[in-house]
Amino acid sequence: AQSVTQLDSHVSVSEGTPVLLRCNYSSSYSPSLFWYVQHPNKGLQLLLKYTSAATLVKGINGFEAEFKKSETSFHLTKPSAHMSDAAEYFCVVSDRGANTGKLIFGQGTTLQVKP
Amino acid sequence: DTAVSQTPKYLVTQMGNDKSIKCEQNLGHDTMYWYKQDSKKFLKIMFSYNNKELIINETVPNRFSPKSPDKAHLNLHINSLELGDSAVYFCASTQRGDAYEQYFGPGTRLTVT
Repeated sequence: AQSVTQLDSHVSVSEGTPVLLRCNYSSSYSPSLFWYVQHPNKGLQLLLKYTSAATLVKGINGFEAEFKKSETSFHLTKPSAHMSDAAEYFCVVSDRGANTGKLIFGQGTTLQVKP
Repeated sequence: DTAVSQTPKYLVTQMGNDKSIKCEQNLGHDTMYWYKQDSKKFLKIMFSYNNKELIINETVPNRFSPKSPDKAHLNLHINSLELGDSAVYFCASTQRGDAYEQYFGPGTRLTVT
């Protein structure tokens, strides 16, 4: 069975400093992994996805994530945080074995960006 | 153009009432989903339809009934609403394939009083 663990429920950074949001996954199959962002009172927007191509994935707004099979990790990074990055971030794995597209969400990480 | 839309955006109702939330997507996708986001922001799949066929039905009370009149629409009907049904409900869609990248609607905030 697939599962996702986001290691930090809350991360606080200063504007202009790097961002690291950590995610570990468990999967019986070669996984598809995603990061979604949810701004306050908004829907979910896809930041980036990994689907067994390049292990370093570039997304929107300067975000990147690296798939590390040996560590079962898919951490999200950004070199320099902006105030507009403050939001809830979800690491997600797709249950490819069931062939239904079912997404399994992590618990979420709240990113706070201080001026 | 809005890719995945939901109506209404906000829904306030009393316990025991029956209500519906509508979802439409104009992306040409063949698979749609309903998710529930609780007060701690945890998201969990409820249902999924592929070409009007139910393919995911998680452990959800049978007061919740999805209906898909066509592959562009997936509505959620809730009978006998309870306080615990208060949440944000998200609709999503995808084209079945390898990536299963899903596009989400803006959400419907349901408050049961």
